Amino acid sequence: GAGVSQTPSNKVTEKGKYVELRCDPISGHTALYWYRQSLGQGPEFLIYFQGTGAADDSGLPNDRFFAVRPEGSVSTLKIQRTERGDSAVYLCASSPGPEAETQYFGPGTRLLVL
Amino acid sequence: GDSVTQMEGPVTLSEEAFLTINCTYTATGYPSLFWYVQYPGEGLQLLLKATKADDKGSNKGFEATYRKETTSFHLEKGSVQVSDSAVYFCALPFGNEKLTFGTGTRLTIIP
Repeated sequence: GAGVSQTPSNKVTEKGKYVELRCDPISGHTALYWYRQSLGQGPEFLIYFQGTGAADDSGLPNDRFFAVRPEGSVSTLKIQRTERGDSAVYLCASSPGPEAETQYFGPGTRLLVL
Repeated sequence: GDSVTQMEGPVTLSEEAFLTINCTYTATGYPSLFWYVQYPGEGLQLLLKATKADDKGSNKGFEATYRKETTSFHLEKGSVQVSDSAVYFCALPFGNEKLTFGTGTRLTIIP
């Protein structure tokens, strides 16, 4: 079956621009997670959705970052006024329920802010 | 807070060599512990896990034992193959749903 997909796979933007990153979870998975992986680092938690609501957004670095999941399936991570420090790989994961150990990861979106 | 400290890489080995990648953790209580692998061009995959002290997780010839006494979860494989070349991450859950990862160890196996 289809796994978690993310689009685009690569995104290059200029400092100050707005970007949207999309995640399509595995069908039927109610939990969805966003992580950010900077070069040479492990993934860091950003936000977690259970259904349509953000159950935990404690990992979002500042108010330029926002994520939505309006119908409880596809999620969009939105970054306003991008900065060079936002350059990273953004990973999405989904799981059947709110359990850390059953997360299935997508291939990521590599964001480069020039 | 809960965290994992992982052996820094990169690690380069010859095929059929023995592999150890060290991981130690700091946690309140006894959380499950995981090893994830990221093959080139692919997403993170769960390699193995252990849910309690003295448990041994195993998969694809890799093993890791949950050592409460030394707060460690070292990854081992007796004979590595070129196809094992990847980045390996130690991880543990926090807040039940989220994962915290180590910095990753890049493994390259030379034929």
